[in-house]
Amino acid sequence: GQNIDQPTEMTATEGAIVQINCTYQTSGFNGLFWYQQHAGEAPTFLSYNVLDGLEEKGRFSSFLSRSKGYSYLLLKELQMKDSASYLCAVMDSNYQLIWGAGTKLIIKP
Amino acid sequence: IAGITQAPTSQILAAGRRMTLRCTQDMRHNAMYWYRQDLGLGLRLIHYSNTAGTTGKGEVPDGYSVSRANTDDFPLTLASAVPSQTSVYFCASSDSATSGGELFFGEGSRLTVL
Repeated sequence: GQNIDQPTEMTATEGAIVQINCTYQTSGFNGLFWYQQHAGEAPTFLSYNVLDGLEEKGRFSSFLSRSKGYSYLLLKELQMKDSASYLCAVMDSNYQLIWGAGTKLIIKP
Repeated sequence: IAGITQAPTSQILAAGRRMTLRCTQDMRHNAMYWYRQDLGLGLRLIHYSNTAGTTGKGEVPDGYSVSRANTDDFPLTLASAVPSQTSVYFCASSDSATSGGELFFGEGSRLTVL
């Protein structure tokens, strides 16, 4: 079966760095997405990786290793507004998105 | 304001009743999707449409139907609601079903079936 694994919850301190991991087993691979979802709101797009390596976008970076079925989202200089759930999703060979359950990130002052 | 609009925002519904969740986008996106989100689970695809006039079944289609008569609208109908359909429903769209383009989500419809 297809599976996306990410930690349920993480806690970090304001101003610090946090890495959220995602491992996947899917039928084929057409890219990996990260979305941010604040409580009670809709998910919003953060990043897309289809080739191995690191994609940097401001304070957020996303890394992909296709051979290991692994990605991480790196958040630097954490701010209180970064408290949210972070969703990892993989597009499979049928171009369907398979979603992880999300990682709830709690930022403490 | 460009984007996706869902209605209603929330609804309490008696079991057995019929309910249609509305979704309209003004971005001229080809692909549209309906997801449900339940605590502890990832977003699960109910139905999708790659282009106007076509629809397909997702991971959890039973008890739901959709139509795509035009590019902008993609309503989701529960023919006879059951308590297990209590969930938050998100409509989403993307420019293409097969590209790496981002999904744009509506604000969600919280449905409670009693």
